Amino acid sequence: SQQGEEDPQALSIQEGENATMNCSYKTSINNLQWYRQNSGRGLVHLILIRSNEREKHSGRLRVTLDTSKKSSSLLITASRAADTASYFCATDQAGTALIFGKGTTLSVSS
Amino acid sequence: GAGVSQSPRYKVAKRGQDVALRCDPISGHVSLFWYQQALGQGPEFLTYFQNEAQLDKSGLPSDRFFAERPEGSVSTLKIQRTQQEDSAVYLCASSPEDRGNEQYFGPGTRLTVT
Repeated sequence: SQQGEEDPQALSIQEGENATMNCSYKTSINNLQWYRQNSGRGLVHLILIRSNEREKHSGRLRVTLDTSKKSSSLLITASRAADTASYFCATDQAGTALIFGKGTTLSVSS
Repeated sequence: GAGVSQSPRYKVAKRGQDVALRCDPISGHVSLFWYQQALGQGPEFLTYFQNEAQLDKSGLPSDRFFAERPEGSVSTLKIQRTQQEDSAVYLCASSPEDRGNEQYFGPGTRLTVT
């Protein structure tokens, strides 16, 4: 079973625009992570936000977490063609395995 | 430094055959995870090791799936009598004990059962 649901399922933007994708989850969490997956490659960890944090930045990435709404958002600013990938949110409930959503497919065209 | 490696990268098996997928985690990482990713879906948890101990195998879909990590480093995921529904990408991830839950993923093995 999958914990999170990303929204939208697919997103197409132009280079330089911002991309926002959302994630909702079902139960209480310890932390929430975002991963990127390029076509045919493994998952790369982007950022982790703990349940007691509300916002976190890393380079062009900004993540927010609203535990009352059980939702998170990932903002990629000034997008580049290289940002084209699938993005997954993952939650950690039991301290071990990650539970992933179905992902948002981002396409950035130049 | 070397990341997580998996072999083979691609495997085609005829239905009914047994397959073995290998994962070499990052040296020193005590935690190792296996995930299954169907086409167009997110990864789904299969099993978890802490060193050589398999602490959670609740995600293994049937008793045809078996995983081991006998010396606490390399791990093998074995699927017996493969079925078409086993076709997926199998991802391995490792994690250092003191880094919370950030996991480092390998490139995956794409299994196709014909």
